[in-house]
Amino acid sequence: GNSVTQMEGPVTLSEEAFLTINCTYTATGYPSLFWYVQYPGEGLQLLLKATKADDKGSNKGFEATYRKETTSFHLEKGSVQVSDSAVYFCALSDNQGGKLIFGQGTELSVKP
Amino acid sequence: EAGVAQSPRYKIIEKRQSVAFWCNPISGHATLYWYQQILGQGPKLLIQFQNNGVVDDSQLPKDRFSAERLKGVDSTLKIQPAKLEDSAVYLCASSFDRVGNNEKLFFGSGTQLSVL
Repeated sequence: GNSVTQMEGPVTLSEEAFLTINCTYTATGYPSLFWYVQYPGEGLQLLLKATKADDKGSNKGFEATYRKETTSFHLEKGSVQVSDSAVYFCALSDNQGGKLIFGQGTELSVKP
Repeated sequence: EAGVAQSPRYKIIEKRQSVAFWCNPISGHATLYWYQQILGQGPKLLIQFQNNGVVDDSQLPKDRFSAERLKGVDSTLKIQPAKLEDSAVYLCASSFDRVGNNEKLFFGSGTQLSVL
């Protein structure tokens, strides 16, 4: 069945460092791919998405490219801020049943 | 616009007791989801409603969990009787239509359940 695998956390970075959080998926067909973020004490919210191969999703300085050949959707940011500290979830949707399947989440901690 | 509302925010019960969670989705959203998020894991879908009909409840432990969405608006999720392994955050989410290429999912803040 469909599944999502993320790199394990926690990831600890200094402010202005480069961020990569790896995400790979297993799916039949052509899923849509998402990154959700959960800030401390808040609900999950959509960060960015890509709906077909080679699409790049971007938001708030974060970006991820839908790579069908490597079944990956890695999250990147060139310069992280303390305010980016949160848990990041990679997810996919099979575009048929309409449900999201999430990875286990990666906690990011950015130190000043 | 108002977001997805959930209550209570926290609940502590003993095993074998019953508990119920309530969700009010964003106005006009036809699709409603209940997810279970165990500590250290990603959210797992329990049940999906389209209006007041069930679309997917394949991962709902039906011997103890039940959910309803009367009139296609509010929803309640019940656990009876609770087990220790039910300790988790229960998230409600809604979307205008089924999540797909262009549909966005909105999450509530969740109900944190501790079963002692």
